[in-house]
Amino acid sequence: ETGVTQTPRHLVMGMTNKKSLKCEQHLGHNAMYWYKQSAKKPLELMFVYNFKEQTENNSVPSRFSPECPNSSHLFLHLHTLQPEDSALYLCASSQAGNVGYGYTFGSGTRLTVV
Amino acid sequence: AQKITQTQPGMFVQEKEAVTLDCTYDTSDQSYGLFWYKQPSSGEMIFLIYQGSYDEQNATEGRYSLNFQKARKSANLVISASQLGDSAMYFCAMREGSEGLTGGGNKLTFGTGTQLKVEL
Repeated sequence: ETGVTQTPRHLVMGMTNKKSLKCEQHLGHNAMYWYKQSAKKPLELMFVYNFKEQTENNSVPSRFSPECPNSSHLFLHLHTLQPEDSALYLCASSQAGNVGYGYTFGSGTRLTVV
Repeated sequence: AQKITQTQPGMFVQEKEAVTLDCTYDTSDQSYGLFWYKQPSSGEMIFLIYQGSYDEQNATEGRYSLNFQKARKSANLVISASQLGDSAMYFCAMREGSEGLTGGGNKLTFGTGTQLKVEL
């Protein structure tokens, strides 16, 4: 089992659907992150949670709604998405405030919006 | 200004040869960490190597080494004896010490990546 687990690995959803992406870490980290990676574009940081509190929201549309019930779990709730939201969504965890600590990533969810 | 710059969108290397992937960074912090990640076509980001700003020795991890030139603000990744399985996207990233917890807990900032293809 990897340190950061993301489910589902693949998701196809219609524009009117509601779905959720789940991320779970078993590393004792206190920070979790959502990234979006579109084809031929740089990684985009979407949300940052430190100690369960959201500390950053990089102008993400409201159709993406994060939830962090505890330090080990992070969700991304999706509703009324657009085709341009099709991308690889990566979750990561780390120790907040420690420059010597990298991020541990999950395997990602490949989302296709039809 | 870009904090992390990777100027090589794509690179080719022959199997068993060494290859250098370039990375320059921009920070005014004294304390920072530099990281390299590998992303195969499967999508997962795999940590390769870390260099701290106060480390005097260049970091090495198996076939990976980091050529750290602090004055030039460069942190190039060297892969020795390339293998077909090294074909992937490679990202350079930096974590700065000045942000603190209120600033997002010292976020990891990524470059745009270099696509490496290893040929027979």
